[in-house]
Amino acid sequence: EIVLTQSPGTLSLSPGERATLSCRASQVVGSSFLAWYQQKPGQAPRLLIYGASSRATGIPDRFSGSGSGTDFTLTISRLESEDFAVYYCQQYGSSPRTFGQGTKVEVK
Amino acid sequence: EVQLVESGGGLVQPGRSLRLSCAASGFTFGDYAMTWYRQAPGKGLEWIGVTRRGTTEYAASVKGRFAISSDESKSIAYLQVSSLETEDTAMYYCARGSGWHDYWGQGTLVTVSS
Repeated sequence: EIVLTQSPGTLSLSPGERATLSCRASQVVGSSFLAWYQQKPGQAPRLLIYGASSRATGIPDRFSGSGSGTDFTLTISRLESEDFAVYYCQQYGSSPRTFGQGTKVEVK
Repeated sequence: EVQLVESGGGLVQPGRSLRLSCAASGFTFGDYAMTWYRQAPGKGLEWIGVTRRGTTEYAASVKGRFAISSDESKSIAYLQVSSLETEDTAMYYCARGSGWHDYWGQGTLVTVSS
């Protein structure tokens, strides 16, 4: 099983600042099968990025993903008020599918 | 418009069973795998399993207790949860696809308590 470790656990930032979230895998994630989701309280996850760097339909270009192998990054270039949420990475290159424990982006 | 709507959750005693449903609309159901996840209160997301073209795959933690099936004629995916334990208390989500998921249901809450 691939274990995903996200850091930091909490990111305290102000609107307009840049957010950099990390996801490290315990093994190589095949074919960069890595996705990022945003989740707000009481809501289902929302797909942001798939294939490590492809933005999902309707996702603003302030969200970008990068990385390969075992190290992946989600960057939010300029935080908007609606971006404060919990973010999860997920690998789908092997079974079982696994998620990181999440990074909470909160208002500083 | 693609929609996934879960139902069937509720309060259940330990050891009992439930069948959760995920009604799909807005796409050709048979063209996609359907995956089930759960999220315990205040916790992260856990993959339960997936069904695709009549085959199923499960997480080790639920294998033997949970069963995924689907009825393509009704565009519904099912998750049968049996021998429920308090640790199974969670929001249960279905999602379209077997890898990344562009559509998720709103979830159905299962609470296991005596």
